[in-house]
Amino acid sequence: KQEVTQIPAALSVPEGENLVLNCSFTDSAIYNLQWFRQDPGKGLTSLLLIQSSQREQTSGRLNASLDKSSGRSTLYIAASQPGDSATYLCALGDSNYQLIWGAGTKLIIKP
Amino acid sequence: DVKVTQSSRYLVKRTGEKVFLECVQDMDHENMFWYRQDPGLGLRLIYFSYDVKMKEKGDIPEGYSVSREKKERFSLILESASTNQTSMYLCASSSTGLAGRYNEQFFGPGTRLTVL
Repeated sequence: KQEVTQIPAALSVPEGENLVLNCSFTDSAIYNLQWFRQDPGKGLTSLLLIQSSQREQTSGRLNASLDKSSGRSTLYIAASQPGDSATYLCALGDSNYQLIWGAGTKLIIKP
Repeated sequence: DVKVTQSSRYLVKRTGEKVFLECVQDMDHENMFWYRQDPGLGLRLIYFSYDVKMKEKGDIPEGYSVSREKKERFSLILESASTNQTSMYLCASSSTGLAGRYNEQFFGPGTRLTVL
């Protein structure tokens, strides 16, 4: 059974730093991987989608990578800003056409 | 841009009431989903629909039903609300990609339901 893990559960860094969020999974047979952010009490905003045949995707200061052989995806945030503070979730599209969710990493960017 | 809207941001109901949560998407997506999100349990899929009038059970369908009479609208129904259904409810939609698999999911703002 596919399991998705996001470590750490919480992360606090000073503004301006580059940082990496991790997402690991146990089964490499995935269809795609999606990164979301969620602000407190709000819905989810899709950040990046990586298809299983791709290695990375970029959007602005965000870069997501996918390494199926090691069961790992990373979300790189460059030059972090206080507005990046949110919970970041990764979710895997599996063979059953559904998303398997990680528990999220709560990110705090200190001004 | 894809837009997914939900009928209410906050809702307070009493135990035993029938509750309707509405979701509308404007991108002609085939697939729509209902999740609930609870602290410590993450997101859990309640029901999804891959076409008008079609529905499939997710991981936690008990106590819920759904309706999809039009492509753009997916309703979640709590037949008799209970306090353990107090939660954040999130709706999502996606198009269908290769081999019938789902593409990127887009979410609505969520409905915070409290059952007293």
